[in-house]
Amino acid sequence: ILNVEQSPQSLHVQEGDSTNFTCSFPSSNFYALHWYRWETAKSPEALFVMTLNGDEKKKGRISATLNTKEGYSYLYIKGSQPEDSATYLCAFTDSSYKLIFGSGTRLLVRP
Amino acid sequence: DAGVIQSPRHEVTEMGQEVTLRCKPISGHNSLFWYRQTMMRGLELLIYFNNNVPIDDSGMPEDRFSAKMPNASFSTLKIQPSEPRDSAVYFCASSLTGGIRGELFFGEGSRLTVL
Repeated sequence: ILNVEQSPQSLHVQEGDSTNFTCSFPSSNFYALHWYRWETAKSPEALFVMTLNGDEKKKGRISATLNTKEGYSYLYIKGSQPEDSATYLCAFTDSSYKLIFGSGTRLLVRP
Repeated sequence: DAGVIQSPRHEVTEMGQEVTLRCKPISGHNSLFWYRQTMMRGLELLIYFNNNVPIDDSGMPEDRFSAKMPNASFSTLKIQPSEPRDSAVYFCASSLTGGIRGELFFGEGSRLTVL
């Protein structure tokens, strides 16, 4: 059974704060790690797909790192804005190609 | 491209009725996924297809659920007979090249309520 854990479950920050979340996944048979942003009443949208140990990706104020040997990925948001409020999902796959999602971190950025 | 298109967006039905959810993936994508979203379990993978062939359906809850992909541009998820515990949002997603190193593109979901 593939187990993908995300923490924290929810997070409230003030506008301008920087924040980060964790995604833990099985370290064996790694294939890819995805991050998605999911706004209320919309569908998930991809942020990053990472495949190599040590990968770092950045999109604007959001960045992510990957450690496949220890089985974790961090998502960072620098200078949070109210429009960053969403649920952030990570998803893991091994060679079976099953993309398994974590339960997400719900971020609320207060103005 | 219009993105992944799902229908219906909302369906309310009575227990015991047949429900059919439809999905049109992005043209050129050859992997298609059906997920179910509930408060308790988050996003659960039900089944995925590669080149129209079901690769893994181990997430399909029980025999009442079935999915087909008769061609590259259409898939259905059918529940027969439906039960109140099937109430959820069902998402379809597609991906390019069949490899999960490509991002998934999600439809807007079909919200199912079984009374």
